[in-house]
Amino acid sequence: EVQLVESGGGLVQPGGSLRLSCAASGVTLSSYEMNWVRQAPGKGLEIISYIDSSGNTIYYADSVKGRFTISRDNAKNSLYLQMNSLRAEDTAAYYCARVLYDSNGFYRHLADWGQGTLVTVSS
Amino acid sequence: DIQMTQSPSSLSASVGDRVTITCRASESISSYLNWYQQKPGKAPNLLIYAASTLQSDVPSRFSGSGSGTDFTLTISSLQPEDFATYYCQQNYRTLGTFGQGTKVEIK
Repeated sequence: EVQLVESGGGLVQPGGSLRLSCAASGVTLSSYEMNWVRQAPGKGLEIISYIDSSGNTIYYADSVKGRFTISRDNAKNSLYLQMNSLRAEDTAAYYCARVLYDSNGFYRHLADWGQGTLVTVSS
Repeated sequence: DIQMTQSPSSLSASVGDRVTITCRASESISSYLNWYQQKPGKAPNLLIYAASTLQSDVPSRFSGSGSGTDFTLTISSLQPEDFATYYCQQNYRTLGTFGQGTKVEIK
C-alpha cells in the first residue's frame, strides 16, 4: 500500500521559513513525478509545484515562484518543499501527491495523496 | 492559464438521487480532465481520470463524460458516503488547475 506522510508544518511569522517533508512507503518515489498541492482554509485546491522523477524539470505556480523550492532525495525516498519569505496568504494545508499516467502514458492524474500538513503564517 | 468553472457551487440532494456536476474549461483540454472527491479534514481522493476512466476501487455509480471544454460528473444513485465536495482538474498543462468545487449536501 502506498503511503505518503507530510511533516514540517506549523506556526511561523510573516517573512519566516519552513521546510516541509513528504516521506513515502510502499513505493519508490524516484520513479515518479510529484506535486505539492495546497488548500487555504475553506478554499479550493492549488498545485504550487511539480518535479519530474529525475529532479531536472521543475515548475512553480506564480504565487510561490522565487520563494519556494521543491526538491527530492531519492535515497531517503522523500520529497521536500523549502518555503521562504512566507506570507499570510500562504496559510494552508499542504499535500504531496504522486503523479500517475493512464496505460497509454497520456493522461496524468494525482492518484495518491498524503494526509496534509498545516502551515499557519501569522504574527 | 486555463480556468475551470464548476456548476453548481453547491447542491442539496437526497439519498438515491441522480446528481450531475458540470465543469467547463476556458479553452479546449481534450480529455485531460480529472475528478476528485474531498471529505472534511481529509485529502482529495481521485475518482475519474481522462474524463471518463474510473479509478480502481471507485464505485460504478460514479461516471464521467465530456471532451474539449465541457465535462460532467454523474452519481447515479447518491449514497450517504457521497456527501462531500467534488473538484474537477485539468491536466492539459503541467500545473493543472482545479475548479472551485461543488459541495454536495444532504437535503
